Amino acid sequence: DVKVTQSSRYLVKRTGEKVFLECVQDMDHENMFWYRQDPGLGLRLIYFSYDVKMKEKGDIPEGYSVSREKKERFSLILESASTNQTSMYLCASRRGYNEQFFGPGTRLTVL
Amino acid sequence: SQQGEEDPQALSIQEGENATMNCSYKTSINNLQWYRQNSGRGLVHLILIRSNEREKHSGRLRVTLDTSKKSSSLLITASRAADTASYFCATDEEGGSEKLVFGKGTKLTVNP
Repeated sequence: DVKVTQSSRYLVKRTGEKVFLECVQDMDHENMFWYRQDPGLGLRLIYFSYDVKMKEKGDIPEGYSVSREKKERFSLILESASTNQTSMYLCASRRGYNEQFFGPGTRLTVL
Repeated sequence: SQQGEEDPQALSIQEGENATMNCSYKTSINNLQWYRQNSGRGLVHLILIRSNEREKHSGRLRVTLDTSKKSSSLLITASRAADTASYFCATDEEGGSEKLVFGKGTKLTVNP
């Protein structure tokens, strides 16, 4: 059974903290993605990676960075968390133009 | 950038009825996909239709694609309470990179 896992389902952090969200896929997919989802705004792409150490900015990269040191792992980093980064974060992976597989999501609250 | 736009934003029906959701998009595409999301969970892939296909079926799901109108529809027949979820269309732009562009979704409620 193919799988995308995310390190936490729920996370509570304080303003200014550095936050790491981890995502792991077991399907050997070259493409991995980080989205945030907010009510009324749909899914917005933060960053995507098309290979190890390769990344491309999405629609809303400000305030975020990413790391992909191994093919199966894609990390999203909030250098200094702010309250407007409270959201649901979804990781996904994909091979080529095929279907995309999503993780269960991390609901992050920044106080 | 938002490519697909679903319509309606919300739909409420009775169990046993059919549910139809529409998606419109702006640019030429390689394929269009539909996803489902249960409340507070990740998205699950339902069906993919390629730009040279007009209709596709999967169980109780029927998807149509009209590239001349840049639109697609998802029909769920004989709906069940368990179909209650949000449904998203997503497109691969022709000549674009391998990143899907998602619409904002239709929230479907099926009342028992």
